Amino acid sequence: DIQMTQSPSSVSASVGDRVTITCRASQGISSWLAWYQQKPGRAPKVLIHAASSLQSGVPSRFSGSGSGTDFTLTISSLQPEDFATYYCQQANSIPLTFGGGTKVEIK
Amino acid sequence: ELQLLESGGGLVQPGGSLRLSCATSGFTFSNYAMSWVRQAPGKGLEWVSAISGSGVSTYYADSVKGRFTISRDKSKNTLYLQMNSLRAEDTAVYYCAKDLGFCGADCYTYFDYWGQGTLVTVSS
Repeated sequence: DIQMTQSPSSVSASVGDRVTITCRASQGISSWLAWYQQKPGRAPKVLIHAASSLQSGVPSRFSGSGSGTDFTLTISSLQPEDFATYYCQQANSIPLTFGGGTKVEIK
Repeated sequence: ELQLLESGGGLVQPGGSLRLSCATSGFTFSNYAMSWVRQAPGKGLEWVSAISGSGVSTYYADSVKGRFTISRDKSKNTLYLQMNSLRAEDTAVYYCAKDLGFCGADCYTYFDYWGQGTLVTVSS
C-alpha cells in the first residue's frame, strides 16, 4: 500500500497569510493526487485533482504542485473560510489512501 | 442537482451487522465508480471499498475484506455497504462518494461528490 505523509499536522496562520502544506508518497504516484478541505461536521470537498488541476468552483487562491513523491498545496492569501483540515489522497493504485490531515488554525 | 444521501447507520453490538444505503440522483449512476470512505471520531479519512460503474468489479481495504460487501442497484440508483462481523474499530462516520470519472466507470481516482455521512457505532 502507498503511504501518504502530510506535514505539518497543524499550522497556525492569520488572514492574508500564505500557507503551504506538503504531502509525500511512499512511492512514486506520478500526478495521481488530490487535495480535500474538510470543515467540522461536514463532508470533505475536493479542491485539486491530478496534482494541480483546480476543481470547478474552487477559488484561485488554492493551487497544487508536484509529481512523483512530493506534492504541495498552497493557499496564497488565507481567508476566514479557509480554516479547516486539509487531506491529500493518492489515486495511483488501490487501496486509495489519504494523508493524516493538516489542520489550519487561526493564529 | 446531484445528491448523495446515506442511511442505515446506528448502534450495533460487536459481531453484529448493518447495511448502509446511499441513494443518488442528478447523474447517470452507472457511468461512475462509487466508493465508501469512513472517518473514525476525531480521526482522518479511510477509504473502505469501491465498485465499478457496472458493479462487476469491487475492491476493499484489508481492514474490512471478508466482512464488508459493496454493491449497487442500477434500477434504484443506490449504493450499498453490507457490514458483517462488526468490531469496535469500525465505529465511524461512513460517507458514500462519487468518483470524478476522470478515466471512465471502472477507474478509481478522486471524489467530487460526497454524502452527508451516516454514523455507525459498534459498542456493547
